[in-house]
Amino acid sequence: GAVVSQHPSWVICKSGTSVKIECRSLDFQATTMFWYRQFPKQSLMLMATSNEGSKATYEQGVEKDKFLINHASLTLSTLTVTSAHPEDSSFYICSASWSNTEAFFGQGTRLTVV
Amino acid sequence: SQKIEQNSEALNIQEGKTATLTCNYTNYSPAYLQWYRQDPGRGPVFLLLIRENEKEKRKERLKVTFDTTLKQSLFHITASQPADSATYLCALDVTNTGNQFYFGTGTSLTVIP
Repeated sequence: GAVVSQHPSWVICKSGTSVKIECRSLDFQATTMFWYRQFPKQSLMLMATSNEGSKATYEQGVEKDKFLINHASLTLSTLTVTSAHPEDSSFYICSASWSNTEAFFGQGTRLTVV
Repeated sequence: SQKIEQNSEALNIQEGKTATLTCNYTNYSPAYLQWYRQDPGRGPVFLLLIRENEKEKRKERLKVTFDTTLKQSLFHITASQPADSATYLCALDVTNTGNQFYFGTGTSLTVIP
């Protein structure tokens, strides 16, 4: 199957700093990428949908100024958590898709804000 | 409100038995429903997709059913093995675009040797 790579796989940052997470589709061009967050023992919650070259569409309750998404190319989307706080600590997962039937997930990024 | 619920948080079964997981939803009319496997600390891995006009789909030891009247999908693992232990998530294509999904609450399956 298609490969989606996230970087970094884990990151620890100080409260108030910003963190960027990359999501790359390695062997296909992703017209759409999705960002999810997952708290311990909970399911994935869709944060936003991004299409290459256009602004991301955020789910209700997700602060677009806090979670900046850039989808500058067909193989790369980035999520920047700005002014991170301990409550932003979570598992962030991206998925990428080129078709209408399947999305491929990255391995996730564990963010810990101290 | 819109909900996607899976039958239980945790399910324990004996090796060799069939595991049956349930996904129930309300207020959606999805064109697609997918099942994923997620291991601790990893992203979900796609298992099966079933369309609204399909009643059943099989892949090796896996079987999925989709009842749009009951708004329910059942996910079966036959001849279960300890390696099947993981969290299983159902996901609905709620916008009918084919790739934008909302996930269920997940069921943690443990297969006991």
